[in-house]
Amino acid sequence: KAGVTQTPRYLIKTRGQQVTLSCSPISGHRSVSWYQQTPGQGLQFLFEYFSETQRNKGNFPGRFSGRQFSNSRSEMNVSTLELGDSALYLCASSLVGDRTNEAFFGQGTRLTVV
Amino acid sequence: AQKVTQAQTEISVVEKEDVTLDCVYETRDTTYYLFWYKQPPSGELVFLIRRNSFDEQNEISGRYSWNFQKSTSSFNFTITASQVVDSAVYFCALLGDNFNKFYFGSGTKLNVKP
Repeated sequence: KAGVTQTPRYLIKTRGQQVTLSCSPISGHRSVSWYQQTPGQGLQFLFEYFSETQRNKGNFPGRFSGRQFSNSRSEMNVSTLELGDSALYLCASSLVGDRTNEAFFGQGTRLTVV
Repeated sequence: AQKVTQAQTEISVVEKEDVTLDCVYETRDTTYYLFWYKQPPSGELVFLIRRNSFDEQNEISGRYSWNFQKSTSSFNFTITASQVVDSAVYFCALLGDNFNKFYFGSGTKLNVKP
């Protein structure tokens, strides 16, 4: 059974640009969550999608957005990149996204903003 | 408010030593789940254990054991006879009433030296 796949693994962007990251959950999983990991702030919740609907959102500016497709694949977009957006972005998938389900994480996309 | 504290930033041990990673949590939810994840250099978060708030039984899995004490809001993780392959960053996390929104501690980097 394939795990959670995040693409690309590494990305270098320039300030002001925008970026789209992709997450393919485990087959059959309908919940996808996104997290940002930085040395200073640690792991912080961005948002969660379930059946193409955003169910939950963290405290991030509107430059951070996401969506989920009918096949449960999810994308997150960051517009007008800032140096502080450099981070490891992790996505997690789970069956239905309630607390009884185990969440599986991908290897992440490491974004560097220069 | 939900909060997880891992006071130990980094721990170094010599192979075969036992090591305990501390985790203290805060939550007002009556039901919640606690987790430990391992993050190797490759980046993905590897699930180790999940406990719900009604199950205070300690658990042992091979060289790993977990001590959950609601009275002190702690969920500590012990590795017995540590090995070099245990070197990683370990995260304690809390899942409250809010669907799939994890609250992570800041992580403890474990260095196991041969």
